[in-house]
Amino acid sequence: AQSVTQLDSHVSVSEGTPVLLRCNYSSSYSPSLFWYVQHPNKGLQLLLKYTSAATLVKGINGFEAEFKKSETSFHLTKPSAHMSDAAEYFCVVRGGADGLTFGKGTHLIIQP
Amino acid sequence: KAGVTQTPRYLIKTRGQQVTLSCSPISGHRSVSWYQQTPGQGLQFLFEYFSETQRNKGNFPGRFSGRQFSNSRSEMNVSTLELGDSALYLCASRLLGTDQETQYFGPGTRLLVL
Repeated sequence: AQSVTQLDSHVSVSEGTPVLLRCNYSSSYSPSLFWYVQHPNKGLQLLLKYTSAATLVKGINGFEAEFKKSETSFHLTKPSAHMSDAAEYFCVVRGGADGLTFGKGTHLIIQP
Repeated sequence: KAGVTQTPRYLIKTRGQQVTLSCSPISGHRSVSWYQQTPGQGLQFLFEYFSETQRNKGNFPGRFSGRQFSNSRSEMNVSTLELGDSALYLCASRLLGTDQETQYFGPGTRLLVL
């Protein structure tokens, strides 16, 4: 069994300031972890993924995430927010033969 | 390469009807998965097909079914539609179906049941 908890349903930051979206996971297997972004009325786009290689994963658009097994966390960060980052972000886990398990999503708001 | 395509993009049906949604994966991808997205339940896994066989299934009633053709295109069918079936249905494809592969999502089909 696997599960994902995104700790914040909404995060609001000012443009140019750092972004932190928090995610904790649970998995019976050695998991693969993903962050996806969904802009309004669009499909899901992969930001980055962890698959048991380096624990610090760099993704597109300046995002990165760090896998911490001891804390069962996979938080998403970006040093400087841009207006175009406003979207819904999903932390996702895959373990074993199950399909992807999605978190409830974090709505990122960028203040000008 | 073209991305994952889904047809139709929007659909309106009435309760009791049935609906068929179509998904064409990225060329060469053999695994196709389906997900339902609703405001209340979020994104939930429906099922995955690989080489025309269902590999695994989420926790949905038997009214939800699917199939995959020899060219990897997939269809999802929902029979006896209920109001609660109104959702965005997303299809995703990946190359060989291994755990570490990225799934690439289509734009979705938005279904409204009246």
